[in-house]
Amino acid sequence: DIQMTQSPSSLSASLGDRVTISCRANQGIDNYVAWFQQRPGKVPNLLIYATSTLQSGVPSRFSGSGSGTDFTLTISGLQPEDVATYYCQNFKSVPLTFGGGTKVEIK
Amino acid sequence: QVHLVQSGAEVRKPGASVKLSCKASGYTFTNYFMHWVRQAPGQGLEWMGIINPSSGNTTYAQKFQGRVTMTGDASTSTFFMEMSSLTSEDTAVYYCAREWLRLILYYWGQGALVTVSS
Repeated sequence: DIQMTQSPSSLSASLGDRVTISCRANQGIDNYVAWFQQRPGKVPNLLIYATSTLQSGVPSRFSGSGSGTDFTLTISGLQPEDVATYYCQNFKSVPLTFGGGTKVEIK
Repeated sequence: QVHLVQSGAEVRKPGASVKLSCKASGYTFTNYFMHWVRQAPGQGLEWMGIINPSSGNTTYAQKFQGRVTMTGDASTSTFFMEMSSLTSEDTAVYYCAREWLRLILYYWGQGALVTVSS
C-alpha cells in the first residue's frame, strides 16, 4: 500500500500568514494527490485534486504543488475560516490512503 | 444535486455486527462508484473499501477483508456497509463518499457514529 506522511501534524499561524503543509508518498504517485479540509465537526471537503487543480468554489488562496513523492498544500493568507485539519490523499489506485492530517490553528 | 443521506447512530456490544445505509439521490445510481471511509474519535481518515454499483464488485482494504461487506440496492438507490465482530477499536464515524472523477471523493454523507461498548 502507498503510505502518505504529512508534516507537520499541527501548526499555529497568524492571520494573513502563508501556511505550508507537506505530504510525502513512499512511492511515486505521479500527480494523483488530493487535499481535503475538515473543519471541526464537519464532513471532509475536497479542496484540490490532481496535485494542483482547485475544486470549484475553493478560494484561490489555496494552492497545491509537487509531483512524484513530494506534495505541498499552501494557504496564502490564512483566514479564520481556514481553521481545520487538512488531509492529503493518494488516489493513484486502491487502497486509497490518507495522510495523518495537519491541524491548523490561529495564533 | 447529489445527496447522500446516511442512517443514524448505532450502539453495539463487542462481537456484534452493524449495518449502515447510505441513500443516494440526484444522480444515476449505477454510474458512480461508492466508497466507505471511517474516522475514529480525534483520529484521521481511513479508507475501508469501494463498490461498483453496476456490477456489485467490491474491493476492501486488507484490514477489513472478511469482516466487511458492501452492497448496493439499485431499486432504492441505497448502499449498505455491514461490519461484523466489532471491537471498541471500531468506534468511529463512518462515511459513504461518492466519486466525482475516478477515485476522487467529492460527495460525502453526513456520517454515522458507531459506538462499540460493553
